Amino acid sequence: AQSVTQPDIHITVSEGASLELRCNYSYGATPYLFWYVQSPGQGLQLLLKYFSGDTLVQGIKGFEAEFKRSQSSFNLRKPSVHWSDAAEYFCAVGARRGYSTLTFGKGTMLLVSP
Amino acid sequence: DTEVTQTPKHLVMGMTNKKSLKCEQHMGHRAMYWYKQKAKKPPELMFVYSYEKLSINESVPSRFSPECPNSSLLNLHLHALQPEDSALYLCASSQGLSGTDYGYTFGSGTRLTVV
Repeated sequence: AQSVTQPDIHITVSEGASLELRCNYSYGATPYLFWYVQSPGQGLQLLLKYFSGDTLVQGIKGFEAEFKRSQSSFNLRKPSVHWSDAAEYFCAVGARRGYSTLTFGKGTMLLVSP
Repeated sequence: DTEVTQTPKHLVMGMTNKKSLKCEQHMGHRAMYWYKQKAKKPPELMFVYSYEKLSINESVPSRFSPECPNSSLLNLHLHALQPEDSALYLCASSQGLSGTDYGYTFGSGTRLTVV
């Protein structure tokens, strides 16, 4: 079974600074990988996803993520953070074989300081 | 239409009440999900419907009863809930249950408070 680790519970970044949120996965092969964002009291919004091909994936709102097989990682990045980016971010993995559902990490809360 | 619509947005119910949560999507997705999310926690999967049939039930107490009347609608019937059932209930949909069908679309949730 797959699993996801988001090592950082909270991260505080100054507005305008760069951001990197970490995600590590455990799976017997390359899984499908996702990042979701959740604003307070809202549902989850898909930021980006990796299925195959180019390991640098572009998403919405200026986010990107890089899949690194050797490190079993799929870190989320943004070059310049805006105050509106403050939210909870979830990494998720899905199995490539058979029927399954997504496995979510515990989330990282992003705080943006002025 | 690329949305999942959930109603109501907020619900307060007593422990003896019966209520229902509703979820609707018109994207032609054939898999629909109910998740429960407590504060500062990731979503926990409750039920999965695939092609209108219950595919997964994550050992959820019987006071939660899902229903999928058709391919666009998903209900969650609530009865005799406990205060610890207070949470954000999220509905999601996807094209299917495998491979690149992933990439769920989530609704904005129903904030449930049990008093």
